[in-house]
Amino acid sequence: GAVVSQHPSRVICKSGTSVKIECRSLDFQATTMFWYRQFPKKSLMLMATSNEGSKATYEQGVEKDKFLINHASLTLSTLTVTSAHPEDSSFYICSAYRQGRPYEQYFGPGTRLTVT
Amino acid sequence: GENVEQHPSTLSVQEGDSAVIKCTYSDSASNYFPWYKQELGKRPQLIIDIRSNVGEKKDQRIAVTLNKTAKHFSLHITETQPEDSAVYFCAASNAGGTSYGKLTFGQGTILTVHP
Repeated sequence: GAVVSQHPSRVICKSGTSVKIECRSLDFQATTMFWYRQFPKKSLMLMATSNEGSKATYEQGVEKDKFLINHASLTLSTLTVTSAHPEDSSFYICSAYRQGRPYEQYFGPGTRLTVT
Repeated sequence: GENVEQHPSTLSVQEGDSAVIKCTYSDSASNYFPWYKQELGKRPQLIIDIRSNVGEKKDQRIAVTLNKTAKHFSLHITETQPEDSAVYFCAASNAGGTSYGKLTFGQGTILTVHP
């Protein structure tokens, strides 16, 4: 099966600092990756679509200057939460499609961000 | 954009009973409908999916039905077991060819199976 990893799994940071989360497809190439956030007992909300070699497409209401996405290679996308605040505390999950197989998305294990 | 509504929000059943979760979608262009099971703090796990050219799909105790005309699809779990307890999400996307469709998720159903 296809494996997607995320790093770190948990991070605690102070308000005002920036945090980078990595999403890697370990055994396949992913032209497209997605970033979601999930609040406790809530559904997954798509934040942005990350395309290799081009700018990310952000969903309405998501601040692109606050959530910086870079998809520099076919196996790596990064999400940087800039100037984090307590309200950014959430579970961030990435997903990826296998190149040429546009149906099933493979999810990473998620990153629990806590901003103090 | 797509909107997916999921019901019920919570479902409690006795072990061995069946559980049914229903979803409706709004975008007639959606053609892929996966169901995910998520345990606390873990990633969503795909349990079954269906494409729009199929009306029903079954995998052991799990089945999904799709009614394109009414724009709704349902998850059926038979002979439920305590380990089926989790949060279940439906989703919809418009995918195919080289188009990587983004998933729109339902609100989730907390399923509790009592021994």
